[in-house]
Amino acid sequence: KAGVTQTPRYLIKTRGQQVTLSCSPISGHRSVSWYQQTPGQGLQFLFEYFSETQRNKGNFPGRFSGRQFSNSRSEMNVSTLELGDSALYLCASAAGTDSYEQYFGPGTRLTVT
Amino acid sequence: QKEVEQDPGPLSVPEGAIVSLNCTYSNSAFQYFMWYRQYSRKGPELLMYTYSSGNKEDGRFTAQVDKSSKYISLFIRDSQPSDSATYLCALWGYQKVTFGTGTKLQVIP
Repeated sequence: KAGVTQTPRYLIKTRGQQVTLSCSPISGHRSVSWYQQTPGQGLQFLFEYFSETQRNKGNFPGRFSGRQFSNSRSEMNVSTLELGDSALYLCASAAGTDSYEQYFGPGTRLTVT
Repeated sequence: QKEVEQDPGPLSVPEGAIVSLNCTYSNSAFQYFMWYRQYSRKGPELLMYTYSSGNKEDGRFTAQVDKSSKYISLFIRDSQPSDSATYLCALWGYQKVTFGTGTKLQVIP
């Protein structure tokens, strides 16, 4: 079974721009969660989608948004990029309603200059 | 106070040593307890998860949960250089996972 895939793997953007990241979960998984990972803060939860509905949200500003499509693929958007948004963005998929058994993709490394 | 506390290390051990990695938590509502391994520039990989207090073994890895003390551990027996990575504890509750900051482990040949 193919794992979680994320595109693109690397991205360089300028302050003020916006960016869209994509995640394809493991086939059959309905839950997709997004995380931001930085050396200082570790892994921080952004939001989780289950069957196209946002089920939970972390403590991030409204510039961070996401959506999930009917095929469970998910996108994350960050508008008006700031230097502090430079991070590894990870998505994780889970099969069931209780999304504790999460499988991560390789991440998208975003650099904001 | 953070919900999950994990010693960041780094932890350096000789090959063959027993490694003990630990996390403490404050919220008794956490129901599932996971351990992830993350190699440099890769996504975290789920090693194992447990639900109840007690031990769970998988090969060289043993996860231990003590809900009364709010303390979880991961033991690695016969550590190998390939175990060199960052280990993250993760706790699930209220439909979301909260991660520890990770412990960087180096196993020296």
